[in-house]
Amino acid sequence: GENVEQHPSTLSVQEGDSAVIKCTYSDSASNYFPWYKQELGKRPQLIIDIRSNVGEKKDQRIAVTLNKTAKHFSLHITETQPEDSAVYFCAAFSSGGYNKLIFGAGTRLAVHP
Amino acid sequence: EAQVTQNPRYLITVTGKKLTVTCSQNMNHEYMSWYRQDPGLGLRQIYYSMNVEVTDKGDVPEGYKVSRKEKRNFPLILESPSPNQTSLYFCASSLHDSGGYNEQFFGPGTRLTVL
Repeated sequence: GENVEQHPSTLSVQEGDSAVIKCTYSDSASNYFPWYKQELGKRPQLIIDIRSNVGEKKDQRIAVTLNKTAKHFSLHITETQPEDSAVYFCAAFSSGGYNKLIFGAGTRLAVHP
Repeated sequence: EAQVTQNPRYLITVTGKKLTVTCSQNMNHEYMSWYRQDPGLGLRQIYYSMNVEVTDKGDVPEGYKVSRKEKRNFPLILESPSPNQTSLYFCASSLHDSGGYNEQFFGPGTRLTVL
């Protein structure tokens, strides 16, 4: 079935450094790719998303890139801050008959002051 | 305030005792979904609903039932809970229009323990 692989599972960076999280998806009909941030004990919240007709999207310190040919998308966080510490999930949605949102296993990001 | 609510937030029960977790949204969203979250496995979709009376299985539907009789409500039913259903459950909803899929809003979560 469809799946989304996410790497790395844990990531530790120094404050001010950049962080990159990568995901690959299996369903070529996937057309929507959200990224969620989940702080400890909280619900997941959308931080950025991208649709299949766009290659890159940026929102302040956060950017997402999509390579449809390689079925690969990435989250880039620049100038990391301690409050960026959380678990990040990528996901892929396919409306090509399945209408399911498939999540990656998550990346635990730790930003050290 | 636009929101997704779930009840109860915490529940400890015993094997075999039927339970229902309610989910309600006030945003007139078409798409609603249930997920379970387990350490190291991320969020896995249990069931989803594209609209009233339209439901379909996600990736881990075994042991669960849902219904969508009204647009705002999407209860999750465990007819005979087992310990392997101990998990953190999230309900979510989103707009699903001609533009496709949109941001999914999550409820606060229900932590279920089955003894």
